Amino acid sequence: DGGITQSPKYLFRKEGQNVTLSCEQNLNHDAMYWYRQDPGQGLRLIYYSQIVNDFQKGDIAEGYSVSREKKESFPLTVTSAQKNPTAFYLCASSKETGEKLFFGSGTQLSVL
Amino acid sequence: QQPVQSPQAVILREGEDAVINCSSSKALYSVHWYRQKHGEAPVFLMILLKGGEQKGHEKISASFNEKKQQSSLYLTASQLSYSGTYFCGTAKDNFNKFYFGSGTKLNVKP
Repeated sequence: DGGITQSPKYLFRKEGQNVTLSCEQNLNHDAMYWYRQDPGQGLRLIYYSQIVNDFQKGDIAEGYSVSREKKESFPLTVTSAQKNPTAFYLCASSKETGEKLFFGSGTQLSVL
Repeated sequence: QQPVQSPQAVILREGEDAVINCSSSKALYSVHWYRQKHGEAPVFLMILLKGGEQKGHEKISASFNEKKQQSSLYLTASQLSYSGTYFCGTAKDNFNKFYFGSGTKLNVKP
């Protein structure tokens, strides 16, 4: 079955630590996205990638980094520079930008 | 650039109808609608492209008025399974960033 997989489901970060959230898709989609969702809030765009080896900042990219070395994978690193990282992180993909998004099941990140 | 949704929350009895609105200050190329259940990922409902079309899926339909830069989602004869948070997402063109509204929480009661 094709889909988009995020791991881990829950993640805890210590002060000053970088953590990486995994996102893998086997839908052969070109575009991938990372969104952050705070309780009771909408989804805010962190980074997006339209094609391999290319990515663009969203509205809240500070304190985050990404890479897109393979079409299937779009990992997100939450760096120590992100002072308020506690949130629900959603990865999504689409065949091309503008087409319907398929979401992963999300990663809940909390600070210890 | 984030679209504005209204209302923020709706409580319905089973069988009642609801309308959720989504408006943007920028010209739109497309509008998407998604539903998210608590603790789960958003699920795609429908997409409307520039052209003023109306789409439907069983008792859920939507319209897109590009002149007014707004879209509305219509839920008819609501069922318990309709409960969740509804998000609209908008894009200015097919290559640009995609923005979501802050969501409308729908609670359907028996």
